Amino acid sequence: QQQVKQSPQSLIVQKGGISIINCAYENTAFDYFPWYQQFPGKGPALLIAIRPDVSEKKEGRFTISFNKSAKQFSLHIMDSQPGDSATYFCAGSRLTFGEGTQLTVNP
Amino acid sequence: EAQVTQNPRYLITVTGKKLTVTCSQNMNHEYMSWYRQDPGLGLRQIYYSMNVEVTDKGDVPEGYKVSRKEKRNFPLILESPSPNQTSLYFCASSSLQRAFKGNEQFFGPGTRLTVL
Repeated sequence: QQQVKQSPQSLIVQKGGISIINCAYENTAFDYFPWYQQFPGKGPALLIAIRPDVSEKKEGRFTISFNKSAKQFSLHIMDSQPGDSATYFCAGSRLTFGEGTQLTVNP
Repeated sequence: EAQVTQNPRYLITVTGKKLTVTCSQNMNHEYMSWYRQDPGLGLRQIYYSMNVEVTDKGDVPEGYKVSRKEKRNFPLILESPSPNQTSLYFCASSSLQRAFKGNEQFFGPGTRLTVL
């Protein structure tokens, strides 16, 4: 039972473009929504996280948008760079992860 | 340096040959867990532990065993590996609050296992 659904499964973006990854959750008890970034050959690492009492959180080029009523949240990567090429996982609290999105940023 | 270490990083074995993947953390974390990562399925939890001698099943525990005799170590044991256990395995650790409240975990570098 996947409590966090993530899309798309893969994404190709040109350098300088905006990458957008979407997630939907089911459990309204979730109270924390982290995103993880995983480079090839490495373990996932916490990238950015948001609590449901705010609608947006920005850290550098990375922004989380949160829509509590729709039970959806998304990661936006502005001015995407080849170094952002990685797999991204959204997550909910209670140890639940999305399926992952493989992002490729072409130079 | 705070870290989670796993050994081995790569392992090729044959069906039925018992193996152990070790995991160790140096952050004094109570919580440790094992995940497997498969394409299109994301991270699926195998087992987790909230402290020494306290372990519990995750979403996909069949075919795996764990033990937590020391706080820093959490080995994953495959008593009789099968080809469907070919996967990328990650160990993770965290404080109890950060794990269960916020799902903030520190991951190891991964172990790629192939079972022939």
